[in-house]
Amino acid sequence: AQTVTQSQPEMSVQEAETVTLSCTYDTSESDYYLFWYKQPPSRQMILVIRQEAYKQQNATENRFSVNFQKAAKSFSLKISDSQLGDAAMYFCALQNYGGSQGNLIFGKGTKLSVKP
Amino acid sequence: DSGVTQTPKHLITATGQRVTLRCSPRSGDLSVYWYQQSLDQGLQFLIQYYNGEERAKGNILERFSAQQFPDLHSELNLSSLELGDSALYFCASSPQLVGQGVGNTIYFGEGSWLTVV
Repeated sequence: AQTVTQSQPEMSVQEAETVTLSCTYDTSESDYYLFWYKQPPSRQMILVIRQEAYKQQNATENRFSVNFQKAAKSFSLKISDSQLGDAAMYFCALQNYGGSQGNLIFGKGTKLSVKP
Repeated sequence: DSGVTQTPKHLITATGQRVTLRCSPRSGDLSVYWYQQSLDQGLQFLIQYYNGEERAKGNILERFSAQQFPDLHSELNLSSLELGDSALYFCASSPQLVGQGVGNTIYFGEGSWLTVV
């Protein structure tokens, strides 16, 4: 079975500080994709960052970066210079290809609060 | 704006009723996914269509059905509704099927809030 685990139900960070959200996953596939999605109070699902498993280089998008450890099946999200607008639920997701044809498997989410 | 359009945004209906949720994917996207987000179950994959054909099935109840039309829009039909079906239903789309070296970012609509009373 493929699973995604986010062990931190809630996190808090001071504005302008850095925070890291954890995610571990389990899959029998050797190639897959990993995503972080943000869900603000509006409930819209917004793509934050994407990582291809076959790439060793960690993905970066402005203030967002990942630490991808394939052997450990770990995919953490680092948010630098946190802003009030970063407050949201963050979901880690795994995407295999093959029989599931790209379906996303989500973790339970981490609620991030940003303190001014 | 992701480019995925869902209607209606909010819907309140009674138990036992039937509703249809509609989704227009991003322009050019052939694949449509439906997800259910409830408080206790998190985000659950329901079903996927690709270019009009069912491609993958997740935890979709037999009371639920979906289809994708030739113009690529999709509908999710929910029947014999129960209180537990109250949830946020997301439609998402992506350009193609996932393959080796072919990533496939999935973009979500704003969701349809269904409340069953």
